[in-house]
Amino acid sequence: GQQVMQIPQYQHVQEGEDFTTYCNSSTTLSNIQWYKQRPGGHPVFLIQLVKSGEVKKQKRLTFQFGEAKKNSSLHITATQTTDVGTYFCAGPKGGSYIPTFGRGTSLIVHP
Amino acid sequence: DGGITQSPKYLFRKEGQNVTLSCEQNLNHDAMYWYRQDPGQGLRLIYYSQIVNDFQKGDIAEGYSVSREKKESFPLTVTSAQKNPTAFYLCASSMMTVANYGYTFGSGTRLTVV
Repeated sequence: GQQVMQIPQYQHVQEGEDFTTYCNSSTTLSNIQWYKQRPGGHPVFLIQLVKSGEVKKQKRLTFQFGEAKKNSSLHITATQTTDVGTYFCAGPKGGSYIPTFGRGTSLIVHP
Repeated sequence: DGGITQSPKYLFRKEGQNVTLSCEQNLNHDAMYWYRQDPGQGLRLIYYSQIVNDFQKGDIAEGYSVSREKKESFPLTVTSAQKNPTAFYLCASSMMTVANYGYTFGSGTRLTVV
């Protein structure tokens, strides 16, 4: 079945360094969503990408959707301690609107 | 304020017991979902409901049951048939056309078998 693979599983950075997490699907996705879950918290919706090659920015966060709509990335510029958490991508299963979640990338920022 | 309320926040279950997790939303969302999260894992779909009095199995429905008698409520029962129930359970809701809104999640229930 369709899987959404996310790498890396963990990423340690020094505060001020950049961070990127990657999401790859075995099939073409109609859209991809990104969520952030703070330690001990619940996932919070960040953004949805729909168009091939789409790039969206939210302050220091840049989201990209691949040309083939099979991969996506989230890049954080100059990380801060408030960026700590697990970032999940989610893409719908074929023929459904319900997203399948990746395992997430846990970001640890060292001050 | 609109949102999703899950209760209780922590729940302890003895072997062989059924327990019910509550999920209530006041967002007027049609669709509601239950996910299970284990350490280092993504979110796995247990059940979902797109309309009152109807629900569908997700990827890991065995050992769980749900009901959707009201639009606002989607309780999850973890039955004794679920052999490894210790996990973090998340309820979510969405508009049917997810568009740019994504899912809204509740704050979760941590279930532990004792």
